[in-house]
Amino acid sequence: DTEVTQTPKHLVMGMTNKKSLKCEQHMGHRAMYWYKQKAKKPPELMFVYSYEKLSINESVPSRFSPECPNSSLLNLHLHALQPEDSALYLCASSQAGTLTEAFFGQGTRLTVV
Amino acid sequence: RKEVEQDPGPFNVPEGATVAFNCTYSNSASQSFFWYRQDCRKEPKLLMSVYSSGNEDGRFTAQLNRASQYISLLIRDSKLSDSATYLCVVNVEGNYGQNFVFGPGTRLSVLP
Repeated sequence: DTEVTQTPKHLVMGMTNKKSLKCEQHMGHRAMYWYKQKAKKPPELMFVYSYEKLSINESVPSRFSPECPNSSLLNLHLHALQPEDSALYLCASSQAGTLTEAFFGQGTRLTVV
Repeated sequence: RKEVEQDPGPFNVPEGATVAFNCTYSNSASQSFFWYRQDCRKEPKLLMSVYSSGNEDGRFTAQLNRASQYISLLIRDSKLSDSATYLCVVNVEGNYGQNFVFGPGTRLSVLP
């Protein structure tokens, strides 16, 4: 199983809503990532979890709150987002402490209205 | 200066053409290197890892020059299905974990 599964695939939310994005992998990877991708731009790193601990936070606003409940799951909690936060949110995983590739989920396409 | 830079593109080539993409990276601590392809509105997918000795996978050849901090991808006999954005990705492992840094991507359109 070389799959990273993200839910939901699409999400429309108002600026006062609270929602969560979910990501799951069963490859035994201990590094998991959240990326944000705007149209015609490359993915930009938001957060890295290594062995279930937050290791990198790329100065992301607090309206985005990551959580790693266990080694297979990664969540991104959303609250009071702005329309400019509309983007494709990609989850990825890789073996921690090695130089091997990252596997990406299909992403959640988020629209903030 | 951006951490990873690529040819700006887009590249429009006829079927059967050979096309080369170039990438440079600025962080000498970068440790592993990849080419990903991304189709419109899809996730990035690994095309190939890039090794110092160079590596080939069918019509695709990747090269790495650590001294020049330069990575290349050559596609031979291009197919319509090769049309996508090609992303150069560099992995840096530091004290705070590892980070996959993406270049801006180069869009390829293979024309019939």
